[in-house]
Amino acid sequence: AQTVTQSQPEMSVQEAETVTLSCTYDTSESDYYLFWYKQPPSRQMILVIRQEAYKQQNATENRFSVNFQKAAKSFSLKISDSQLGDAAMYFCAPKNNNDMRFGAGTRLTVKP
Amino acid sequence: DAGVIQSPRHEVTEMGQEVTLRCKPISGHDYLFWYRQTMMRGLELLIYFNNNVPIDDSGMPEDRFSAKMPNASFSTLKIQPSEPRDSAVYFCASSTRTSGRTDTQYFGPGTRLTVL
Repeated sequence: AQTVTQSQPEMSVQEAETVTLSCTYDTSESDYYLFWYKQPPSRQMILVIRQEAYKQQNATENRFSVNFQKAAKSFSLKISDSQLGDAAMYFCAPKNNNDMRFGAGTRLTVKP
Repeated sequence: DAGVIQSPRHEVTEMGQEVTLRCKPISGHDYLFWYRQTMMRGLELLIYFNNNVPIDDSGMPEDRFSAKMPNASFSTLKIQPSEPRDSAVYFCASSTRTSGRTDTQYFGPGTRLTVL
């Protein structure tokens, strides 16, 4: 079973600045997916970004990018030009086949 | 696409009552997942279906919980009898395969269940 560690329960960033959320995981698999989901106060789980483990290139979605270090089993999320709407809980979730495990989450606050 | 649809959005019931949560997956998705989110345990997978067949129900907490998927566009999660410790947000998610592998899970808005 995969274990997922998000070591930052809370993070804060100034609007327009950059913030990085960390995630490490443990898996014995070589082929898997990794996801970051965002959960705003509405509690909807929203996909932020997706990475395939076999791809060396880091995924990017507009202001969101990842730093995927497969050997270190690390999958951090970088948010550039932070906006007030980015305030939410962020969950890291590695997935092997249909077994997706979630970290405990990082609560991101964005200061105006 | 309308996305994953769940109903009701909120449910308040009394201990001992039967509760039924409903989910409509994204059209064309052949995998459906039920998750539970609590402060203590975070997000946990309860059960998932493939082509309407339950594949893994090892996350179902006890016999009071049951799930069905009578067709490709509808699933239910039933708790009978409900207990206060069942209070949580229940999410339904669906996905399909790309390049032979199951891909991104898309979540519904969740049902917040409160058992008094």
